[in-house]
Amino acid sequence: AQRVTQPEKLLSVFKGAPVELKCNYSYSGSPELFWYVQYSRQRLQLLLRHISRESIKGFTADLNKGETSFHLKKPFAQEEDSAMYYCALLTGSSNTGKLIFGQGTTLQVKP
Amino acid sequence: NAGVTQTPKFQVLKTGQSMTLQCAQDMNHNSMYWYRQDPGMGLRLIYYSASEGTTDKGEVPNGYNVSRLNKREFSLRLESAAPSQTSVYFCAHTGDSTEAFFGQGTRLTVV
Repeated sequence: AQRVTQPEKLLSVFKGAPVELKCNYSYSGSPELFWYVQYSRQRLQLLLRHISRESIKGFTADLNKGETSFHLKKPFAQEEDSAMYYCALLTGSSNTGKLIFGQGTTLQVKP
Repeated sequence: NAGVTQTPKFQVLKTGQSMTLQCAQDMNHNSMYWYRQDPGMGLRLIYYSASEGTTDKGEVPNGYNVSRLNKREFSLRLESAAPSQTSVYFCAHTGDSTEAFFGQGTRLTVV
């Protein structure tokens, strides 16, 4: 079965603390994974994808195929990072695949 | 507008009424999606369309129908609305880059 699991509904940290949002996936093929973010009153938007291996707004995520995980990390959280974060899995081909999401984690960064 | 127009923004229906949510994209992408967003449930895929003229069920298709008459438009229809369909609905599309672009959402209340 194809599935994305985000075990934490809410993660609350203080400004400057490290952040790790967990994501695990289940997929028999070669996964393509993403993190999307939804800031208050804004559209859902792409934060980063594993194939790019890039750091966006200080966030990084490494695909661990052995543990089937794609956790999102940031060493020092900022108040503007407060948002809803979704992990997503693209199944099938890049142009015609199916995009499924996890349950989402609300990150709350306190001053 | 992320290349996608979703209408309406808000809608209140009585139980048993029908309505169609419209989505149009101008990026010439093949894949289009309809999701519903509920607290604690994340984004759940209702239907998706990998190309013009094709549609497939997602995780929660019951009570919905879709239509992909051309490459640009993908509509979602509720034939007989139920209170359980109260939700925020999002349309999205993806192309070769695999980045998903989302509409602004439709907040639907069924009373």
